[in-house]
Amino acid sequence: DAGITQSPRHKVTETGTPVTLRCHQTENHRYMYWYRQDPGHGLRLIHYSYGVKDTDKGEVSDGYSVSRSKTEDFLLTLESATSSQTSVYFCAIRARTGEGQPQHFGDGTRLSIL
Amino acid sequence: DAKTTQPTSMDCAEGRAANLPCNHSTISGNEYVYWYRQIHSQGPQYIIHGLKNNETNEMASLIITEDRKSSTLILPHATLRDTAVYYCIVRVAGANDYKLSFGAGTTVTVRA
Repeated sequence: DAGITQSPRHKVTETGTPVTLRCHQTENHRYMYWYRQDPGHGLRLIHYSYGVKDTDKGEVSDGYSVSRSKTEDFLLTLESATSSQTSVYFCAIRARTGEGQPQHFGDGTRLSIL
Repeated sequence: DAKTTQPTSMDCAEGRAANLPCNHSTISGNEYVYWYRQIHSQGPQYIIHGLKNNETNEMASLIITEDRKSSTLILPHATLRDTAVYYCIVRVAGANDYKLSFGAGTTVTVRA
């Protein structure tokens, strides 16, 4: 209900193949984030964006790239997927206006790399 | 960012209030307290946040102590659908790299 759509919701692929996950928002929010969630690690930030074409690395960015060519879409790419990238990936968005604005999360993409 | 401490788990009876404590004794003056929950296999759901004052919305109330070193999330009438992992997070707002650090949280089980 936060206007966030992640696609695909589930994907199984093989090691070495490229994979792109899409996050689409209808809220026109400035900030977008990609997290991964693994047992024992909680959510960890991969990359984030603070505007069109403005992106930066998070704490676990190795092996991932992102692009944001328009406000509503934030793409996460695994150039050559590895089994260690098997995870649940969450996208989040945040409005710029308003002090302390919270992040709102999508429903996630469950990615399995065989 | 300030670190938070939450109990590992707690049980609550359906229909009763659930009071979830969080300790953040190293919080600084410009850090907000955020509460999220995550129901199994779903994305984290924002519940409420606050800086100094107590806050209430349609989901919950947030009580922050005067010294801001701890807070309590109150679910006024817990239902079975409130069974989830609840996360208390403190974070400075306003920076571009505003990421949320989710710890282990409190696993809340609402029992009929």
